[in-house]
Amino acid sequence: QSALTQPASVSGSPGQSITISCTGTNSDVGGYNYVSWYQQHPGKVPKLMIYDVTKRPSGASNRFSGSKSGNTASLTISGLQAEDEADYYCSSYTSSSTWVFGGGTKLTVL
Amino acid sequence: QVQLVESGGGVVQPGRSLRLSCAASGFTFNRYGIHWVRQAPGKGLEWVAVISDDGKKKYFTDSVKGRFTISRDNSKNTVYLEMNSLRAEDTAVYYCARDSRVYYFDYWGQGTLVTVSS
Repeated sequence: QSALTQPASVSGSPGQSITISCTGTNSDVGGYNYVSWYQQHPGKVPKLMIYDVTKRPSGASNRFSGSKSGNTASLTISGLQAEDEADYYCSSYTSSSTWVFGGGTKLTVL
Repeated sequence: QVQLVESGGGVVQPGRSLRLSCAASGFTFNRYGIHWVRQAPGKGLEWVAVISDDGKKKYFTDSVKGRFTISRDNSKNTVYLEMNSLRAEDTAVYYCARDSRVYYFDYWGQGTLVTVSS
């Protein structure tokens, strides 16, 4: 049950696009289309942004999109805004009927 | 509206026990699994455990197996996390989250802080 691998930090300027990667194994990210992404502002509760790799729930901005290739999933945020500055976590269902999170990525909007 | 409210957190000595509760409202409770997710101070999210809608299936992360148990009372719309043999590394905010029924967490509670310290 090793954590999924995410970059510790990413940054971008307003209006730009950034991508956060999330690397796992064949037993989690690569084995299922059950990757989800969560946004967490300091002191706040995590908020679902993407589920089933590419789907966006109601309430999540359409500037957020997800994809997957092999054992690596990605979250892309386009048209960066100051309010996007937060921590982002990926999560995947696993072959052990458990779940695993990534270590988290701190997004800084310059 | 969907609501999840955790309670039971506090300061506890290493080796002791604590029981957390997650009270749910705003949805048909017995149709959804419930997870516990924790976050140590300044750290990332860690999935802890899940219980199925009927309480028959339970899964845990390796670090809590044999120490934590999870249960639910569908008549009270409440899930419990019984934490035994607590360690300093169990110190965290514990969130309960609803399972969407398709492998993600769609609603989260506000969390309850557990501090394991002598």
